[in-house]
Amino acid sequence: AQSVTQLGSHVSVSEGALVLLRCNYSSSVPPYLFWYVQYPNQGLQLLLKYTSAATLVKGINGFEAEFKKSETSFHLTKPSAHMSDAAEYFCAVIHSGSARQLTFGSGTQLTVLP
Amino acid sequence: DAGVIQSPRHEVTEMGQEVTLRCKPISGHNSLFWYRQTMMRGLELLIYFNNNVPIDDSGMPEDRFSAKMPNASFSTLKIQPSEPRDSAVYFCASSLGQGNIEQYFGPGTRLTVT
Repeated sequence: AQSVTQLGSHVSVSEGALVLLRCNYSSSVPPYLFWYVQYPNQGLQLLLKYTSAATLVKGINGFEAEFKKSETSFHLTKPSAHMSDAAEYFCAVIHSGSARQLTFGSGTQLTVLP
Repeated sequence: DAGVIQSPRHEVTEMGQEVTLRCKPISGHNSLFWYRQTMMRGLELLIYFNNNVPIDDSGMPEDRFSAKMPNASFSTLKIQPSEPRDSAVYFCASSLGQGNIEQYFGPGTRLTVT
């Protein structure tokens, strides 16, 4: 069964600093990977997705993620944090051999300090 | 596009009462998902439908929970009788299906059972 592990339930960065949110996956077949963002009292919004095309995926709001098969990782980065990036971020995986069931990580709460 | 619509946004009810949550997927999407989000368990898939047919309900906690999708534009999640431990945010999501796997989430229904 596929799963994802998000390292660090809380991450704090200063405004303008690099954002790095970690996600490692476990899957016996090529996975589809996603990052979602959840702002307070809102639903989840898709940031970006990896579906076996380019390993470096660019998403909305300046975020990007790199699929590294050798490290089974799909870390989310943004060069310069903005106050509006403060939210909870979820990594998720779909087993490419299954219908389309998303399995979510436990989430990482990003705080951006002024 | 209106996105995924959920109602009500907030529901407060007493233990033992029946609760019905509603979802309207994005027009043209043929897959619909119900998720539950709690602090303790994170985001869990409860059930999903493909072309109005329930495909996997293994995530439904117990017989008190039931879900229906009578047509392509409407789904309900019912809890009867409700219990305090059912308090959570319930999300509905939809996707196009086929090769389009990303899921689009509604704003959620925050359920409080007292």
